[in-house]
Amino acid sequence: NAGVTQTPKFRILKIGQSMTLQCAQDMNHNYMYWYRQDPGMGLKLIYYSVGAGITDKGEVPNGYNVSRSTTEDFPLRLELAAPSQTSVYFCASSHRERGYEQYFGPGTRLTVT
Amino acid sequence: AQSVTQLGSHVSVSEGALVLLRCNYSSSVPPYLFWYVQYPNQGLQLLLKYTSAATLVKGINGFEAEFKKSETSFHLTKPSAHMSDAAEYFCAVRLPGGGYQKVTFGIGTKLQVIP
Repeated sequence: NAGVTQTPKFRILKIGQSMTLQCAQDMNHNYMYWYRQDPGMGLKLIYYSVGAGITDKGEVPNGYNVSRSTTEDFPLRLELAAPSQTSVYFCASSHRERGYEQYFGPGTRLTVT
Repeated sequence: AQSVTQLGSHVSVSEGALVLLRCNYSSSVPPYLFWYVQYPNQGLQLLLKYTSAATLVKGINGFEAEFKKSETSFHLTKPSAHMSDAAEYFCAVRLPGGGYQKVTFGIGTKLQVIP
């Protein structure tokens, strides 16, 4: 199994541009999550999904959107990028029965200038 | 409501010395507690978890943590540090019965191991 994969690994955006961060998992996990990690701030939940077609906001959803058309994929969309969205983004997934254990992808480092 | 506090954003130990990373939680009921490790340029990996069974929990790579309700603590320890232990460690908390998305992470502690 590849586990949780994320693309791209790095990206530089100009203010106002848009992009989609890709996330996929091959473990047949029901739950998927998007976090952002900022220095000294820990991880903050942006959006999560409990299954295909079901998504919900986390702690810091403003400026982001998600979709979950399949069990495997959970892309994160940034519209009108702002410098405040400069961060490292992690996608994670967990199984329905062992949901307390989250499996993380390697992250995407995004810079907005 | 739940929260977690990690004391010390940076900890340095000598190779072979005891590793002690501190985590205190605040919760209305006994929570589930986790330690995750993040190696440079990688995602987080679960190190160990406490889910209301044995209070002394053993994890991977020789780490262990003890749940102490009276002290609201879940400190992470390892008897002898290795160079490969250099990483950032995150304590996390979730209330039983809460959704799996309701995990609160601490701000992290960077462990430096000095040869």
